[in-house]
Amino acid sequence: DAGITQSPRHKVTETGTPVTLRCHQTENHRYMYWYRQDPGHGLRLIHYSYGVKDTDKGEVSDGYSVSRSKTEDFLLTLESATSSQTSVYFCAINKGQSSSYEQYFGPGTRLTVT
Amino acid sequence: GNSVTQMEGPVTLSEEAFLTINCTYTATGYPSLFWYVQYPGEGLQLLLKATKADDKGSNKGFEATYRKETTSFHLEKGSVQVSDSAVYFCALKGDAGGTSYGKLTFGQGTILTVHP
Repeated sequence: DAGITQSPRHKVTETGTPVTLRCHQTENHRYMYWYRQDPGHGLRLIHYSYGVKDTDKGEVSDGYSVSRSKTEDFLLTLESATSSQTSVYFCAINKGQSSSYEQYFGPGTRLTVT
Repeated sequence: GNSVTQMEGPVTLSEEAFLTINCTYTATGYPSLFWYVQYPGEGLQLLLKATKADDKGSNKGFEATYRKETTSFHLEKGSVQVSDSAVYFCALKGDAGGTSYGKLTFGQGTILTVHP
C-alpha cells in the first residue's frame, strides 16, 4: 500500500463543465503523476510534478491543468470537460532512490463526460 | 522518444498452461523495465522489474529477463491459475542520467483470461 487515495472514485459530468480530481498521498513523496487509461492505449501521462509548485506536461496534456500547492496533494483539472476526456484517471508516486524508482498507483477515478 | 510494444491480446489459456506475453521497447541509454498487473476494477500493481541488461525480475511465479540485444522483456509463467486473469502492462522508465523525472512509458496492455 503506497498510501495514495483518489477522489472522487466515480464521476459523471456534462460536456463543458469544469471538473477537478484530487490525488492525496501520506508518505511525503516528491514525484507525482497523472495518467489516463483508455482501451488500446495503455496508460498515457497527462502531467507530472517534481515538487511543490513544480509541474510539467506529459504526452496528452491538452485540455488539462494541474496544481500542487502542498506535497501531499496533486490536483488535475479539466477546465471544460469534453466527451473525449471520458476515461479512467490514475495518480501515481515514485518510491525509492532515483536510480531504482518504483512507481505506485492509486485506485483510479472513472470519469464519464456526457 | 521511448516506446513499448506488447503482443496483441486478448490471451486465453487453460489453467496450468504456460504463459508468454511479449514486450519489446525502443529507448536510448539504459532504461529500467517493469511489468504491472491490473485486476478487474483495481489500480495497477507492480509485478516485477529489471534495471539493467541480463537482470531477471521475478515475483509470484512470473519472470522476465531484460535482453538488451533484442530490446525485449517478455513475461513468462510456467503454470497459470484462474486468479492470474488480469491485464498486464509492460513499461519503461528512461535512463536516470536524463531528465526523465521517473516518467513511465507503457505498452497498450494485454488481457489474460485463464479458464479452469
